[in-house]
Amino acid sequence: SQELEQSPQSLIVQEGKNLTINCTSSKTLYGLYWYKQKYGEGLIFLMMLQKGGEEKSHEKITAKLDEKKQQSSLHITASQPSHAGIYLCGAARRESGGGADGLTFGKGTHLIIQP
Amino acid sequence: ETGVTQTPRHLVMGMTNKKSLKCEQHLGHNAMYWYKQSAKKPLELMFVYNFKEQTENNSVPSRFSPECPNSSHLFLHLHTLQPEDSALYLCASSLIFTRGAGEQYFGPGTRLTVT
Repeated sequence: SQELEQSPQSLIVQEGKNLTINCTSSKTLYGLYWYKQKYGEGLIFLMMLQKGGEEKSHEKITAKLDEKKQQSSLHITASQPSHAGIYLCGAARRESGGGADGLTFGKGTHLIIQP
Repeated sequence: ETGVTQTPRHLVMGMTNKKSLKCEQHLGHNAMYWYKQSAKKPLELMFVYNFKEQTENNSVPSRFSPECPNSSHLFLHLHTLQPEDSALYLCASSLIFTRGAGEQYFGPGTRLTVT
């Protein structure tokens, strides 16, 4: 079965600093999803990447997909207190071809922003 | 975020009780999912529904019984649970296309405690 390893497990960053979170898959990536979760709450969808080399941005968050390395990175520029939370990467388990497909998730990266 | 709602938000039940979790999506999606999030473990897929039909049961014990009467509603019926079943149960929904699944949107979750 596919496993997703996220690094680092936790991260403390001073407000205003940049940071990067990585997600590495043990198998071929067919689609990579990034979510943010506040403690004990539901997941907020951030971005979905499907093609190798794809890069997407939303406000100060940028995600990239390196299909060859089976890896994705999430970069936050000029971090703010609102960025604090748990960041989760999820992967589609099979190549697109129709039908619903549950996701495999990493354990998450806990991000703390220090004022 | 009110696209996917879950009730109740918190539930405490004894091992001999029977209870149900409810999920409703207002996004016009045609696939729904149940996930379980336990402490220190990655988010785990439990069930997948595609146009009301169950397409996947991820080796979930029979004490968890899902029901999907239509594309907008999903239930998880619980009976004779064990303390280790205490977790955050998350519902998600997505659109299904011929070329694969779209983004999955999550509800806020039900925090279940089994005593």
